[in-house]
Amino acid sequence: GAVVSQHPSRVICKSGTSVKIECRSLDFQATTMFWYRQFPKQSLMLMATSNEGSKATYEQGVEKDKFLINHASLTLSTLTVTSAHPEDSSFYICSASRQESTDTQYFGPGTRLTVL
Amino acid sequence: DQQVKQNSPSLSVQEGRISILNCDYTNSMFDYFLWYKKYPAEGPTFLISISSIKDKNEDGRFTVFLNKSAKHLSLHIVPSQPGDSAVYFCAANSNTGKLIFGQGTTLQVKP
Repeated sequence: GAVVSQHPSRVICKSGTSVKIECRSLDFQATTMFWYRQFPKQSLMLMATSNEGSKATYEQGVEKDKFLINHASLTLSTLTVTSAHPEDSSFYICSASRQESTDTQYFGPGTRLTVL
Repeated sequence: DQQVKQNSPSLSVQEGRISILNCDYTNSMFDYFLWYKKYPAEGPTFLISISSIKDKNEDGRFTVFLNKSAKHLSLHIVPSQPGDSAVYFCAANSNTGKLIFGQGTTLQVKP
């Protein structure tokens, strides 16, 4: 299998607080993990690509100081939304690709973030 | 610049019939294509993929066709089942490892 988990599945927080989202590959080692966000009725927008042990590569327009990514091991990546504001409310999804086959990404179940 | 396009936002099909979802791309450097299925408030689930060296890949009820000259791919689901109702995204992978997604097509299979 290729199972990716995310935690938490949903979070509600006050404006100005920071929120950490974890992404784990449960039954495989992931060379690369990706973070996406999806607005209602829109496609998935890639935010950043993270490789284990190195700094994440952010897509144009994504603030790296706002969305902190840590890829500490081959099975865990975290996304921290710092000083969250209502406009950060979205559905955040991570994905991971296997070491031996990087063509296919396997997605986590997503995290619904609501910032009040 | 939308490099991967799904021009039909929605599709409605009768149960048992064929569903055909279409996808067009503009970048000839794309060498691997994937289809994902997504339910609301869930992450996408990988369905089927195809390499640019092939023109067809089949897995059970799902078949993906690739026409490189037309830069077009399609997903055929036959027979369609009500449980297939979901949003379907096509995605393209270049040698950067990044996936470029289409806008998605909402499939409704009516019993």
